[in-house]
Formats: sequence, structure tokens, C-alpha cells
Amino acid sequence: TQLLEQSPQFLSIQEGENLTVYCNSSSVFSSLQWYRQEPGEGPVLLVTVVTGGEVKKLKRLTFQFGDARKDSSLHITAAQPGDTGLYLCAGEGYGQNFVFGPGTRLSVLP
Amino acid sequence: DTEVTQTPKHLVMGMTNKKSLKCEQHMGHRAMYWYKQKAKKPPELMFVYSYEKLSINESVPSRFSPECPNSSLLNLHLHALQPEDSALYLCASRLGPENNEQFFGPGTRLTVL
Repeated sequence: TQLLEQSPQFLSIQEGENLTVYCNSSSVFSSLQWYRQEPGEGPVLLVTVVTGGEVKKLKRLTFQFGDARKDSSLHITAAQPGDTGLYLCAGEGYGQNFVFGPGTRLSVLP
Repeated sequence: DTEVTQTPKHLVMGMTNKKSLKCEQHMGHRAMYWYKQKAKKPPELMFVYSYEKLSINESVPSRFSPECPNSSLLNLHLHALQPEDSALYLCASRLGPENNEQFFGPGTRLTVL
């Protein structure tokens, strides 16, 4: 069974601070996605990483896929209250199956 | 059209009712997914349809019955549900096996009384 772990589970920071969220597994994934979810809504895809060592930037968000394709990180620079939400990583496993991590709940205080 | 739509947004049903959830996408995606999400938990995969054929059933109880009438439409038929089945039901779609981006609908909030 492929499992993903995320850390930290909860994070509360002040506006303007930087933060990093981690997504780890003992399994290799062919790709890994990061999503942001608001309460009662569906997850919104932020990025997909495919190649080991890959780094992608989306404005103030930087995503990295580990060399062995078992882990990933999400770094947010100068966090804003609008970044508040649940951040989920998901790995693509066998036969188009996606496995989700438990999520990191981020709160950015003004 | 670049979105996945789900209806209804909210549904309340009794344990003896039969109801259906509907999901549509017009992006030409050939893989469609049903997920169940309980409060403060991540989405859990239920079913995957690929090219209108059921390819994954994650040991879901038979009171949940998926249907994919065509490549744009995915239904989830509900019958004799239990209160513990109350959750947010999410639909997602993907272009195909060669593309790894999955797009979610807004979900249906289901309450079973």
C-alpha cells in the first residue's frame, strides 16, 4: 500500500513569514500533485511534478520533487491571509490511482 | 468549458431513500473519479472509470453504485445508506492515462439521516 505523510499537520503564522510544507513516502510515485482546498469545496490543483529533482514556481509558491520521486516540498514566501487553507499532496500510483496525504492546515494571520 | 460540475450541491436523504449524484465535464477527459471526504480527512478514492469502463473499485459497499453513461457524465447511485456515509462526495476528471493532472468538482455534501 502506498502511503503519503505530510508535515506539519497544522501551521499558524503571521503575514509576511515564509513556510515549508513536506510530503513524504517510502514509495516511488510517477507524479505528485499539490492541491489547496477551502472548507466545503473541491481541491484546486496547484502544480504537478513529474521528474526527480524538478522545481516549479507559481508566484510565491515553490514546489520541489525529490530526486528519488518519494517526497516533495512546498515553500511559500511572504505568506498572505489569502494563502490560508488545507494543502494536500497526492501521488499517482498504479492504474491511475491517486493517494492523498492527510493534509497541512495553514492559517496566515494578518 | 474548463470545469467539472456536480449536482446537487447539498443532499439530505433517509436510510431507505434512493438518490443519485451527478458529475459532468466537457473537457474531453476520458478518466473520471469518485472520492469520499469525511470532515478533517483527505479525499479517499472510491471508483475510477477509464474510457467509460470501471477500472478501479476500492472495495466500496454495494449501496454505492457508479455509472458512466458516456465520456462526459458520471453518476453515483445511492441506496440504503447509513449515517456514517455522510460526507463530501467529490468527482474528478483527467484527460487520460498519459496526462497526470486531475481536476475536481465542487463536491456534493451528503447527509444521511
